[in-house]
Amino acid sequence: DQQVKQNSPSLSVQEGRISILNCDYTNSMFDYFLWYKKYPAEGPTFLISISSIKDKNEDGRFTVFLNKSAKHLSLHIVPSQPGDSAVYFCAASDGGSQGNLIFGKGTKLSVKP
Amino acid sequence: KAGVTQTPRYLIKTRGQQVTLSCSPISGHRSVSWYQQTPGQGLQFLFEYFSETQRNKGNFPGRFSGRQFSNSRSEMNVSTLELGDSALYLCASSLRPGRETQYFGPGTRLLVL
Repeated sequence: DQQVKQNSPSLSVQEGRISILNCDYTNSMFDYFLWYKKYPAEGPTFLISISSIKDKNEDGRFTVFLNKSAKHLSLHIVPSQPGDSAVYFCAASDGGSQGNLIFGKGTKLSVKP
Repeated sequence: KAGVTQTPRYLIKTRGQQVTLSCSPISGHRSVSWYQQTPGQGLQFLFEYFSETQRNKGNFPGRFSGRQFSNSRSEMNVSTLELGDSALYLCASSLRPGRETQYFGPGTRLLVL
């Protein structure tokens, strides 16, 4: 049973527009969420995180929104650039007893010039 | 600060052999986690080490094992390799377990023939 789901395997966006990547989770004990970006043959690169005490966190072009009641988070990239083309993974942790991250299967973002 | 390093980067083995992969965390990081990524799957958690102790283990057979040394470096071992063990093995480090951002190395690509 997948605890973290990224239901869109791929997303295509025009350069300069907004990219919205979505993630749903089922475990209400998760209280820390992260987004990673991954290029082929490389390890994931940390992008941005959010704690469950917040509903929004911004870092430059990246904003993560958390809706705890819906168990949903999203990553917004504005404006999207061709260099953003990669696979994006959502991850969650319950922080306490289990320190490991639970990952979604990823969404491949293609930003077209 | 140097990032997480993993050696070797690529490895080819045959069924039945064993393999040892190495990970050096970011300086000052004491927690090391290992993940397996296979095509079509997200990252699946293998195990986590902190202060030379295995803190947490994922749902993998006993052929997968690991250890952590006093300098926080970690190794993972896979014995009696199977074709299905072909994957990208990723190591991640963090300051401590729990609600901490994990930073990933480039991974070791293992091919089992």
